[in-house]
Amino acid sequence: SYVLTQPPSVSVAPGQTARITCGGSNIGSKSVHWYQQKPGQAPVLVVYDDSDRPSGIPERFSGSNSGNTATLTISRVEAGDEADYYCQVYDSDSDHWVFGGGTKLTVL
Amino acid sequence: EVQLVQSGAEVKKPGESLKISCQVSGFRFTSYWIGWVRQMPGKALEWVAIIYPGDSDARYSPSFEGRVTISADKSISTAYLQWSSLKASDTAMYYCARQSLRITSFDIWGQGTMVTVSS
Repeated sequence: SYVLTQPPSVSVAPGQTARITCGGSNIGSKSVHWYQQKPGQAPVLVVYDDSDRPSGIPERFSGSNSGNTATLTISRVEAGDEADYYCQVYDSDSDHWVFGGGTKLTVL
Repeated sequence: EVQLVQSGAEVKKPGESLKISCQVSGFRFTSYWIGWVRQMPGKALEWVAIIYPGDSDARYSPSFEGRVTISADKSISTAYLQWSSLKASDTAMYYCARQSLRITSFDIWGQGTMVTVSS
């Protein structure tokens, strides 16, 4: 089955740029989606189809996808961005939906 | 307003059966996929199953196939996830979420249903 690999944690100072990676075999050929989950809350979609943002999501959130790595980039990080972030794809070979293991973003 | 409203928290004993629900509003129930996602305490999101209420086409994660059943009732715009015999390892938060036909992300999520299985 298809596997997505994320770093367990990323730390960044306020105002800096956070980059969270999501690795998978030839992930560049798939559409990658990213979710933000704060403690005690349901996940929220922040980027879909590699780099598109749902309405209401700040432009500070962006995404890219190429080769074996997709990346969620959060610019000008704020304290309120501290959360768990998950990548997700649909694997058409298996007809399954897959989530990464999640990355905890800490704002120093 | 687009909403997915889930049933309340459940406390069950091992071996008992359970059916949790996800009632949608604000969009056409039969034109979207509805999925279920598990989150065990302190752990990552895991895809469980998904259904297209328009024709009841369903898919299951290999990790959950045979353990749960997904279903939908078009007359009341509600999706379900059910167990016939719960285990302690089923203790988790379960979320339902909407997926469109064209984009494979889950764009709207329910508030979650906490299932606790304990003797």
